[in-house]
Amino acid sequence: QQPVQSPQAVILREGEDAVINCSSSKALYSVHWYRQKHGEAPVFLMILLKGGEQKGHEKISASFNEKKQQSSLYLTASQLSYSGTYFCGTDLPSNDYKLSFGAGTTVTVRA
Amino acid sequence: DTAVSQTPKYLVTQMGNDKSIKCEQNLGHDTMYWYKQDSKKFLKIMFSYNNKELIINETVPNRFSPKSPDKAHLNLHINSLELGDSAVYFCASSKGGLGAHQPQHFGDGTRLSIL
Repeated sequence: QQPVQSPQAVILREGEDAVINCSSSKALYSVHWYRQKHGEAPVFLMILLKGGEQKGHEKISASFNEKKQQSSLYLTASQLSYSGTYFCGTDLPSNDYKLSFGAGTTVTVRA
Repeated sequence: DTAVSQTPKYLVTQMGNDKSIKCEQNLGHDTMYWYKQDSKKFLKIMFSYNNKELIINETVPNRFSPKSPDKAHLNLHINSLELGDSAVYFCASSKGGLGAHQPQHFGDGTRLSIL
């Protein structure tokens, strides 16, 4: 039930782009994206409900393809502040309260 | 003004002891959660409460007992602590009855170290 994230880690230079993928073997109701900096709490970025919508947060956007049961997070023109571990969280239509998190993708942005 | 606050921030104790972690949220949310994050950063849900009612109880040893005296508070008591309990424990909250479909707000975590 835990979603699979890829890649595990990515290193970028400022201004470069990256894509993080999150996929599930089960039909999803929604996908959440969170970012956690070292030693801090996870911080909510965005939530995507089934319907294939895209959302954005600064220059970070995401899409949700419910047919493929997959979500992608796009980091565009990355900034140093984008460094951290990104987690996707998924929930099923049959379970309103349980969010299952992926293992995380560690993003390092260098000057 | 902290939205979700946990105490203590650090907890260092010996095997076999009993300890508690407290969590309070001032966001007016109806749903609260406890998560465990291990050394590999894997974030796993332990419990979820909605309006003081236990909704989710994952396969957690019964040494862990959550208690929600009101919808703004969710505490976690751990009996007979073991080495494997060392982790960061996060409290979180979300609004509405459908908790998982709403953004979750996390506390700063409690870093539990078992000696």
